Amino acid sequence: DGGITQSPKYLFRKEGQNVTLSCEQNLNHDAMYWYRQDPGQGLRLIYYSQIVNDFQKGDIAEGYSVSREKKESFPLTVTSAQKNPTAFYLCASSRMGALQETQYFGPGTRLLVL
Amino acid sequence: GENVEQHPSTLSVQEGDSAVIKCTYSDSASNYFPWYKQELGKGPQLIIDIRSNVGEKKDQRIAVTLNKTAKHFSLHITETQPEDSAVYFCAASKNSGGSNYKLTFGKGTLLTVNP
Repeated sequence: DGGITQSPKYLFRKEGQNVTLSCEQNLNHDAMYWYRQDPGQGLRLIYYSQIVNDFQKGDIAEGYSVSREKKESFPLTVTSAQKNPTAFYLCASSRMGALQETQYFGPGTRLLVL
Repeated sequence: GENVEQHPSTLSVQEGDSAVIKCTYSDSASNYFPWYKQELGKGPQLIIDIRSNVGEKKDQRIAVTLNKTAKHFSLHITETQPEDSAVYFCAASKNSGGSNYKLTFGKGTLLTVNP
């Protein structure tokens, strides 16, 4: 059963704490992305990776970090420097080709601050 | 950078009626325009997309039209059903030196189909 999985579904963060959101895909896609979604807003790009061991900042990277050690995995860490982390976080993946490839999304992780 | 405006932000229709959602984009180099449907608490799912070499694309009850000159594209849903109720997002992107990665999204339209 191919697809993108995200865990956990809900995550609670205390003040000053770093938390890591998991994203795994078995679609053999080269590219992976992290988006943040706030109520009434579109999706905003945090980080993306087009190849293993390489990633680039998106539009709102401050307070976040990522790694891409494996093709299948692209974890996102929300650091204590992110002052407003409460949001719905979406991971996506796509093939890399000459034309824009479809991005497929995971089910999301909702992060809440205690 | 690219800017995508989406209207309306909410849309309520009666079952069986048609629904139209419109988006405009700012970057004339954009050449790929997907539409996503997002149900409550879930990730967005692609429902249809169009590339700039095509003016219209249809898939059963869903169609998308693109006007490159005016830089706008629209989603049309005919014979709406209650299960069409969701938030719909448009997006735009362009190929840029092989970095065909960045989708810019509109802010979404909450479609409610009343039985």
